[in-house]
Amino acid sequence: EADIYQTPRYLVIGTGKKITLECSQTMGHDKMYWYQQDPGMELHLIHYSYGVNSTEKGDLSSESTVSRIRTEHFPLTLESARPSHTSQYLCASSGPLGTGAFYLGELFFGEGSRLTVL
Amino acid sequence: SQQGEEDPQALSIQEGENATMNCSYKTSINNLQWYRQNSGRGLVHLILIRSNEREKHSGRLRVTLDTSKKSSSLLITASRAADTASYFCATDPIKAAGNKLTFGGGTRVLVKP
Repeated sequence: EADIYQTPRYLVIGTGKKITLECSQTMGHDKMYWYQQDPGMELHLIHYSYGVNSTEKGDLSSESTVSRIRTEHFPLTLESARPSHTSQYLCASSGPLGTGAFYLGELFFGEGSRLTVL
Repeated sequence: SQQGEEDPQALSIQEGENATMNCSYKTSINNLQWYRQNSGRGLVHLILIRSNEREKHSGRLRVTLDTSKKSSSLLITASRAADTASYFCATDPIKAAGNKLTFGGGTRVLVKP
């Protein structure tokens, strides 16, 4: 079992609402990621972080924002949700692959947050 | 465009049969990883193969890597109904901007009892 947790698992909200998806890990990993995935489709990286106070945009443009104030916590926020934001959001973390590792080790994923915007 | 692409997109087999799926990628890599995703859940890491390795085993899983063809295969032997899931390959590209994996579109495997 991976020690990475996402809340809420399911969220249905109306257009224009502000939402925050929480992600926490207890493995002390520096690297954390947010992926967006539509049902049965590929994963798209939308945000990542190398450590505290580090955040970068991923390969897929997203209107969401993230913060990394603590190592274990990497929340994602949508200021004004729209139906186009309906999707599953997956959080992941990664430690180094061995010593002196520049290369990526395995990712540990949370169970996902399925967001539906009406 | 995707760094990794799985083939086939979907696979249906009987319990006890072997399942093979392939992944092709475009640029040189540090390593390639395979993940499983059960419906509506997060991904679970299965196996990592480094660029200097050609084959790796883990239980009923066998992964091969051919860097000259930029391709990998995942074989699940003696499949079980519990193996029903989507399987994704992910690559760690050399010289990629940022330290991040790129996932393919996945192969949806159905194992019929």
